[in-house]
Amino acid sequence: QLQLQESGPGLVKPSETLSLTCTVSGGSISSNSYYWGWIRQPPGKGLEWIGSMFHTGNTYYNSSLKSRVTISVNTSKNQFSLKLSSVTAADTAVYYCARLYSSAWLFDYWGQGTLVTVSS
Amino acid sequence: SYVLTQPPSVSVAPGQTARMSCGGSNIGGKNVHWYQQKPGQAPVLVMFHDSDRPSGIPERFSGSNFGNTATLTISRVEAGDEADYYCQVWHTDTDHVVFGGGTKLTVL
Repeated sequence: QLQLQESGPGLVKPSETLSLTCTVSGGSISSNSYYWGWIRQPPGKGLEWIGSMFHTGNTYYNSSLKSRVTISVNTSKNQFSLKLSSVTAADTAVYYCARLYSSAWLFDYWGQGTLVTVSS
Repeated sequence: SYVLTQPPSVSVAPGQTARMSCGGSNIGGKNVHWYQQKPGQAPVLVMFHDSDRPSGIPERFSGSNFGNTATLTISRVEAGDEADYYCQVWHTDTDHVVFGGGTKLTVL
């Protein structure tokens, strides 16, 4: 059974960079059928797609966040990561990592999510 | 950018039928997927390709997609169906994942 687990600081200061890692177990991040991505959800609000990356490096980013986002993949560790720069309080959210099945462009496995608060 | 519009809330009595819409320009030409999210939990896929159910999802869940509206229908609603439901598409023009704003299903 595939599992995804987010990790990283739960508190980030304004103007700094948010960094999260997603560790994948029970399957290979190098599979040719899947992208690996990040979705966030501000408290009490809906889902917002951040971006998704293929293991070879091909990446899609939400244009509203593109200037601040970097997603990278570490195939040797079966992990992928998110960096979001110049954060503000508006970036406070639960951040989910998820597997994107590229034949249908749907998210079939999700991590449990991690709350990141931006505050001084 | 492509926008998916969902009603903020739908209320239904137990045993009745809940219908949740997802509106978008020519959405009938896209594959629509639906997720259920219960409080404090990650979303779970409950419908894909408009009307296909993943294994483990009850037959009470069904979907349709025509014209400018996709619909998730839950028949014989149970208390355990109370959750937020999100529709999602892949917008090929911009290579973006797009989520609807979500509908809160309340079982009265």
